[in-house]
Amino acid sequence: DTEVTQTPKHLVMGMTNKKSLKCEQHMGHRAMYWYKQKAKKPPELMFVYSYEKLSINESVPSRFSPECPNSSLLNLHLHALQPEDSALYLCASSQGQGLAKNIQYFGAGTRLSVL
Amino acid sequence: AQSVSQHNHHVILSEAASLELGCNYSYGGTVNLFWYVQYPGQHLQLLLKYFSGDPLVKGIKGFEAEFIKSKFSFNLRKPSVQWSDTAEYFCAVNFYGGSQGNLIFGKGTKLSVKP
Repeated sequence: DTEVTQTPKHLVMGMTNKKSLKCEQHMGHRAMYWYKQKAKKPPELMFVYSYEKLSINESVPSRFSPECPNSSLLNLHLHALQPEDSALYLCASSQGQGLAKNIQYFGAGTRLSVL
Repeated sequence: AQSVSQHNHHVILSEAASLELGCNYSYGGTVNLFWYVQYPGQHLQLLLKYFSGDPLVKGIKGFEAEFIKSKFSFNLRKPSVQWSDTAEYFCAVNFYGGSQGNLIFGKGTKLSVKP
């Protein structure tokens, strides 16, 4: 099973709202990732968690706040977003970040619209 | 900066035609190479990967790719495409220049197969 589950599938929020995206995997993977994908563009890395610790933050604005409560779960907390933050948010996981372990499996994504 | 280039933005083929999608990367060190496919409205799926060994790798759905180290290339091929291969194809590379292997995507190639 190579399933990464993301909820919700769709989310519409106002610029003053607070919402959270959730990601779950049960493959025993110890690295989890958040990507942002705009229409007709490739995914762009936002955050990487390795063994539940934030290892990479690709200069993402503070209105995006990641959280890794345990090795199976990854959250992305959203607050005071801008319309340009509307995109598909993808979660991925891999066994690890090292050689031969960094095969990333992606969830279906959450399509976010900010009004 | 490390980068991944995909030569074709949009490829249109008729069913049964042969396919080759180009991918080049900018780094001369250790890399892991991937092709992902994104069918309309679906999540990114791993087509195939190369870590080491035989430079010709076979993936799912009849796809294969050849790693040519001297050309920094990892081209995707399929001898005979089907209408169901219509999708966006992303080449992705893990560059191991530092302590972390970030997955960097090319801009993607949209493949349209005419029945």
